Amino acid sequence: DSGVTQTPKHLITATGQRVTLRCSPRSGDLSVYWYQQSLDQGLQFLIQYYNGEERAKGNILERFSAQQFPDLHSELNLSSLELGDSALYFCASSVDPGGRSETQYFGPGTRLLVL
Amino acid sequence: GENVEQHPSTLSVQEGDSAVIKCTYSDSASNYFPWYKQELGKGPQLIIDIRSNVGEKKDQRIAVTLNKTAKHFSLHITETQPEDSAVYFCAARNYQLIWGAGTKLIIKP
Repeated sequence: DSGVTQTPKHLITATGQRVTLRCSPRSGDLSVYWYQQSLDQGLQFLIQYYNGEERAKGNILERFSAQQFPDLHSELNLSSLELGDSALYFCASSVDPGGRSETQYFGPGTRLLVL
Repeated sequence: GENVEQHPSTLSVQEGDSAVIKCTYSDSASNYFPWYKQELGKGPQLIIDIRSNVGEKKDQRIAVTLNKTAKHFSLHITETQPEDSAVYFCAARNYQLIWGAGTKLIIKP
């Protein structure tokens, strides 16, 4: 158990809908990262937040947005969903992206299926 | 831009044999190189990492080597066991972690 929690574990929805994925980082970790992993694919970095502020952006679509709240939990919002958005979405956290501990701890993921 | 190439994409080895996965990176300023293991249905988990001031690091059956001149680093797993079957990801970091595409390791009984 990495200490990172993600809810829900599974999500089934229809095209055009909007969903929110939630992540709680490990206690003490200030950075949260979001990744997308399609079937048999690698990890696609979406976005990183550090202590409430957006720190880095990857290949995140404009239909997707995220935020990190004062209690450091994060939410990833996916809107106008398409079939191709079906994937595993992982959240990871780390103490400090540039400090001595760069290790990212991954949550168990949310499996999204868009029908 | 920064890039990390990982080979092979799939590796099948006999139980008990060694497995080697290789990665090359493009940013010469990269200074941190972790390896993650992802078991089926789970999130990736760090198994070993190395920093640019070290050439080799070992942890029981796994080891990582780094060649800064050639800009490549490798994961070595000795005496492979069935539980080593998984997808392995390498990554390199200067400002951000850049991930390799992953290697599916299959251990044949």
